[in-house]
Amino acid sequence: GESVGLHLPTLSVQEGDNSIINCAYSNSASDYFIWYKQESGKGPQFIIDIRSNMDKRQGQRVTVLLNKTVKHLSLQIAATQPGDSAVYFCAEISTGYSTLTFGKGTMLLVSP
Amino acid sequence: DAGVTQSPTHLIKTRGQQVTLRCSPKSGHDTVSWYQQALGQGPQFIFQYYEEEERQRGNFPDRFSGHQFPNYSSELNVNALLLGDSALYLCASSPQRRSGYGYTFGSGTRLTVV
Repeated sequence: GESVGLHLPTLSVQEGDNSIINCAYSNSASDYFIWYKQESGKGPQFIIDIRSNMDKRQGQRVTVLLNKTVKHLSLQIAATQPGDSAVYFCAEISTGYSTLTFGKGTMLLVSP
Repeated sequence: DAGVTQSPTHLIKTRGQQVTLRCSPKSGHDTVSWYQQALGQGPQFIFQYYEEEERQRGNFPDRFSGHQFPNYSSELNVNALLLGDSALYLCASSPQRRSGYGYTFGSGTRLTVV
């Protein structure tokens, strides 16, 4: 499928490395944040979420960190695998709304 | 359990024409949102439908309109197509009672305007 990753920042890692993808969000009123993975030719796929009253949440091989002071999110992927290669987006939702505002995205390339 | 389904998957239209894209939400979801994703960009919110009404709208011109049917499926219509409307159009459904949670995206319709 056609790539969604043209002109995006790229993070290249080796299989087995840990990956950290960063995101700056825009709205200090946002209270819910989501990381999505988007593979070529597919729609965004939910990875992990975090509410604004938390600063860390862990899933299977993934951890999200939230720093509200500097409006920064990060996604940590442990033991990165070739199947993790995709474009990763953070998204935010503000109180009282149910629409997503997406960040710019990062392409993750994992070499075997 | 089928997820969000969109049709068609690819479409080529001529500048000035009109297009209709279709979306069937995930079972149990009653809210449908549409997003436009230009190449190399994150998705941009177009509008959201719930109970057959447009509930929220992003910064898109009136050429973009939509509809939701009683079975919760939805259509996105774009009139007077411009070259800049070329993009991947994503439909996402969610259960309204969990506003902001449970978003599920379809694979999108790739629209090319020539």
